[in-house]
Amino acid sequence: QKEVEQDPGPLSVPEGAIVSLNCTYSNSAFQYFMWYRQYSRKGPELLMYTYSSGNKEDGRFTAQVDKSSKYISLFIRDSQPSDSATYLCAMSLTGGGNKLTFGTGTQLKVEL
Amino acid sequence: KAGVTQTPRYLIKTRGQQVTLSCSPISGHRSVSWYQQTPGQGLQFLFEYFSETQRNKGNFPGRFSGRQFSNSRSEMNVSTLELGDSALYLCASSLNTGENTIYFGEGSWLTVV
Repeated sequence: QKEVEQDPGPLSVPEGAIVSLNCTYSNSAFQYFMWYRQYSRKGPELLMYTYSSGNKEDGRFTAQVDKSSKYISLFIRDSQPSDSATYLCAMSLTGGGNKLTFGTGTQLKVEL
Repeated sequence: KAGVTQTPRYLIKTRGQQVTLSCSPISGHRSVSWYQQTPGQGLQFLFEYFSETQRNKGNFPGRFSGRQFSNSRSEMNVSTLELGDSALYLCASSLNTGENTIYFGEGSWLTVV
């Protein structure tokens, strides 16, 4: 079993929909949680960064972390075709340097 | 401000050969990490360098190695290439180690035939 599980999709939604992307993890020591967006044949781009439990909002994006359930989410409001990409969750330990453990990614397609 | 630059972008090698990939971090960034991305395993951590010292290492065989220079630029080397080494190799940088917010380059696509 992988340390971080993520539904690979693909997830297809109409333009304007609210998208919910999720990851579960097994290591309760993870303290830092990130979401990356990766377009085809490009490097991952950092979207959101959260420390420990709680919510964080940035424009159309909201990240939630529930450490008691070992569950993290990314919500995208008013989704646009330009949001079509693979979304990767990542997490790390305190003192782990820049060693991130990634989910396998969810492929999202936002259709006109 | 220029991003993380990786060279070469694409390369094809033969089994048994070795390959060296190069990474120039964002200006001022001192930590460089390397990741391997494959369809089956996703993104996996290879190693991190900070101030020319390896800080962390992932679960990869000794054929995978790296180094960092005094200007923070980094190289990774894979010796005795195997077909399974075909992957996208991504370099990421951050100001310091333990930042967690790391910024990726476009990657080097390696195909082993």
